[in-house]
Amino acid sequence: EAGVAQSPRYKIIEKRQSVAFWCNPISGHATLYWYQQILGQGPKLLIQFQNNGVVDDSQLPKDRFSAERLKGVDSTLKIQPAKLEDSAVYLCASSLKDLNTEAFFGQGTRLTVV
Amino acid sequence: KNQVEQSPQSLIILEGKNCTLQCNYTVSPFSNLRWYKQDTGRGPVSLTIMTFSENTKSNGRYTATLDADTKQSSLHITASQLSDSASYICVVSALAGGGSNYKLTFGKGTLLTVNP
Repeated sequence: EAGVAQSPRYKIIEKRQSVAFWCNPISGHATLYWYQQILGQGPKLLIQFQNNGVVDDSQLPKDRFSAERLKGVDSTLKIQPAKLEDSAVYLCASSLKDLNTEAFFGQGTRLTVV
Repeated sequence: KNQVEQSPQSLIILEGKNCTLQCNYTVSPFSNLRWYKQDTGRGPVSLTIMTFSENTKSNGRYTATLDADTKQSSLHITASQLSDSASYICVVSALAGGGSNYKLTFGKGTLLTVNP
């Protein structure tokens, strides 16, 4: 079974630039999540999609972050403009149903904002 | 406030030795508790998932315990190997806001280093 795919693996940008991350979840998984993991901390949920609808985006900084899930499958997360404190690993995860079922994580995209 | 506290923050052991990692949580209403292994530069990988009624669950050399009364869990690693070097994260799932949506609360992890 193919896992959750993310790209790119690494990205370095200057502050105030924009960046986009892509995620392809496990086939058939209804729920997709984006997490932000700052070095030394556990992941923090940014947004949760159920199919192509948003279930929870309460911790998404909507002034600079946006996300969409195309046709209920792939998803993109965008940051515009980036700040230094956005430097983190951005993890995409998917689960068959909801967060009470097992979540499978991608390898993440490490973003460095300089 | 829902919280998951892990200890120790970091641990160094010799290859072949056993170790135990601790997790205390205040998350409610509790649904399940998971231990994830996160290798450097990779996403977390699930080791075990335990529900309220489960006290012990094993996955190879990993054994997790759960005491739902005291809200404590432990992860015991037997006969450690160099490949066990990773961050181990305790995660608790709970219903959010009285609705039907679940949320995961993550601990900060224990960084385990296994030396030859």
